[in-house]
Amino acid sequence: EAAVTQSPRNKVTVTGGNVTLSCRQTNSHNYMYWYRQDTGHGLRLIHYSYGAGNLQIGDVPDGYKATRTTQEDFFLLLELASPSQTSLYFCASSGGGETLYFGSGTRLTVL
Amino acid sequence: GEQVEQLPSSLIVQEGASVLINCSYTDSASVYFPWYKQEPGKRLQFIIDIRSNMERKQNQRLTLLFDKKTKHLSLHITATQPGDSAIYFCSAWLSGSFNKLTFGAGTRLAVCP
Repeated sequence: EAAVTQSPRNKVTVTGGNVTLSCRQTNSHNYMYWYRQDTGHGLRLIHYSYGAGNLQIGDVPDGYKATRTTQEDFFLLLELASPSQTSLYFCASSGGGETLYFGSGTRLTVL
Repeated sequence: GEQVEQLPSSLIVQEGASVLINCSYTDSASVYFPWYKQEPGKRLQFIIDIRSNMERKQNQRLTLLFDKKTKHLSLHITATQPGDSAIYFCSAWLSGSFNKLTFGAGTRLAVCP
């Protein structure tokens, strides 16, 4: 099974803080995604990428930046964190087919 | 853009019962519909899918029905077990959407022994 590793598992920051969430996949997948999961909203797509250096805007991009430095690594950046960004964040990858492989999630709390 | 709605938002059943989870989508250009399961504290995992040229697909105790005309799907789980307790997500893949999935809000299923 595809391996997608997220770090950290939990993160607490303050309003205005700077946060970076990391995701690494080791299956040579081209596509990587960042979703946030909130009760009542399901998973909402923040940003995604189809390869190193590529970035596509998702459905809820405001307040987030992302960077795909290599085929394996995809980062989500919150430069001025706000309480509304308190959420469970999932990274996922796919090889160009339609099945997504998810990481275990990062729980972010912004105080 | 595509919107996916799931109902009910939560279900509580006794072990052995059958359950039905409904899903509807808005964009007739969506062509592929994977479902994912998220057990408590765990990552989402793919469980079953269907394409827009199909009407029914079965995988053991899971049956997925698709009605293209009404833009509606339903997931039927028979003989439920406590291990089926999870959040179930419907999703829709829009043709030409550059590999982007839109998810429903999820249905939280609790199976009591």
